[in-house]
Amino acid sequence: AQKITQTQPGMFVQEKEAVTLDCTYDTSDQSYGLFWYKQPSSGEMIFLIYQGSYDEQNATEGRYSLNFQKARKSANLVISASQLGDSAMYFCAMRELNTGNQFYFGTGTSLTVIP
Amino acid sequence: GAGVSQTPSNKVTEKGKYVELRCDPISGHTALYWYRQSLGQGPEFLIYFQGTGAADDSGLPNDRFFAVRPEGSVSTLKIQRTERGDSAVYLCASSLTASFYNEQFFGPGTRLTVL
Repeated sequence: AQKITQTQPGMFVQEKEAVTLDCTYDTSDQSYGLFWYKQPSSGEMIFLIYQGSYDEQNATEGRYSLNFQKARKSANLVISASQLGDSAMYFCAMRELNTGNQFYFGTGTSLTVIP
Repeated sequence: GAGVSQTPSNKVTEKGKYVELRCDPISGHTALYWYRQSLGQGPEFLIYFQGTGAADDSGLPNDRFFAVRPEGSVSTLKIQRTERGDSAVYLCASSLTASFYNEQFFGPGTRLTVL
């Protein structure tokens, strides 16, 4: 089974609007971390936001927030007030405390911000 | 800059040839990770080092792939008898330690094309 599932290959959003990128995960570990990365056309992976499995509050970092629903095993990224520079690939990823230090990545969502 | 660097940025080779891809981690980072990102996919874990030793090489696809980190800093990913299916972007990441709680910082990647 896939550890991370991103079901939206591509998304469009109007500039200044908010957008939600979906992510569901699969793990039997109690301790894990969920991450979102942005990958612009240059190829570099840029860390956006982190949510720990024991964090009770949703993580926020500037215009980014993570809608963490543990019972549903979902960790959706919300980008508020979209900007043209937000156009990129977005990857959801997970690390499990008990199964090593590697990241498990989803297949990504391509976000296009329309002026 | 002080980020993770990878050389070369692009490598084109012929089927059957040997290639080396280099990663310079952030100074002082003891953990180093290699990932492979095929077209349209998220990065997939290959191997990670804690210091000089390979702590987990479970993601290496076969024995044509090998990686070293002899002095605990720079790492080289080596691919023997390259195949067309090896074409991908190879990403390197480093973190302060291999702790689950430490952020991984990614380099820009090396795009390998096997003709």
